[in-house]
Amino acid sequence: GAVVSQHPSRVICKSGTSVKIECRSLDFQATTMFWYRQFPKQSLMLMATSNEGSKATYEQGVEKDKFLINHASLTLSTLTVTSAHPEDSSFYICSAKDGRWAYEQYFGPGTRLTVT
Amino acid sequence: TQLLEQSPQFLSIQEGENLTVYCNSSSVFSSLQWYRQEPGEGPVLLVTVVTGGEVKKLKRLTFQFGDARKDSSLHITAAQPGDTGLYLCAGEETSGSRLTFGEGTQLTVNP
Repeated sequence: GAVVSQHPSRVICKSGTSVKIECRSLDFQATTMFWYRQFPKQSLMLMATSNEGSKATYEQGVEKDKFLINHASLTLSTLTVTSAHPEDSSFYICSAKDGRWAYEQYFGPGTRLTVT
Repeated sequence: TQLLEQSPQFLSIQEGENLTVYCNSSSVFSSLQWYRQEPGEGPVLLVTVVTGGEVKKLKRLTFQFGDARKDSSLHITAAQPGDTGLYLCAGEETSGSRLTFGEGTQLTVNP
C-alpha cells in the first residue's frame, strides 16, 4: 500500500512552453500533497503544500504564477511549470500524506524536467 | 522554518563496517522520518519515530529519536554494498505537516 505515482517520469520541452506533471495516490486518499524540487547531489526543497479543494501554500521564493498547483481530488495533484526556462530544469518530486496516518508521507518516483 | 543539520554529508566505508548518521536541530519536531533515495528515484520511507527516546530497528538499521525530539540518529551494523544510497532525515514541523529535510548523507559501501 501507500503508492504514489508521477507522470511523466521524464519530459523535455522547449523554452517558453508549459509542462504539466501529475501526482497520484494510487491506494489511499491524500488530503495533503507536497511538491519538491531537487538539484543534483542535493536534498529536497519544498516548493508548495497542496490541500484538496483549496489553494496551495507556496514556500518563500517560489513563484505561484510560474508553478501552478491544482489539487482537484483526494488522489490527484498537478504541477504546471509555465513558460519554462532552462533554469527550471530539475527533478520534481511529489509526496502525499495518507489521511489515516498522522505522520507518514510517501513520495512519488519523481519527474526529470529538461528545458532546452 | 525549522532547520535540520545532517552529518556526515559523504561516507565511504568497507563492507562489514558500522556507521552512524546524525540529524540535529535546535527545534522540536513532532516526528522524524528517515528515507533512502536511489539516483533518479523518489525517496523511500524507512521509518518514522514519534516519541522522544524512541528506538526502532529495521534489520541491521537502528533509528533513535532524541529525548527532546530535536535530534535523531541512524546506525547501520555490518554495512553491505546494497546499503549504498542517499539517506535523508526529515522532521515534521510542530506547526503543521511540512517536512524539513536534512542535507542528506551519500553512503557508499565498497565490497
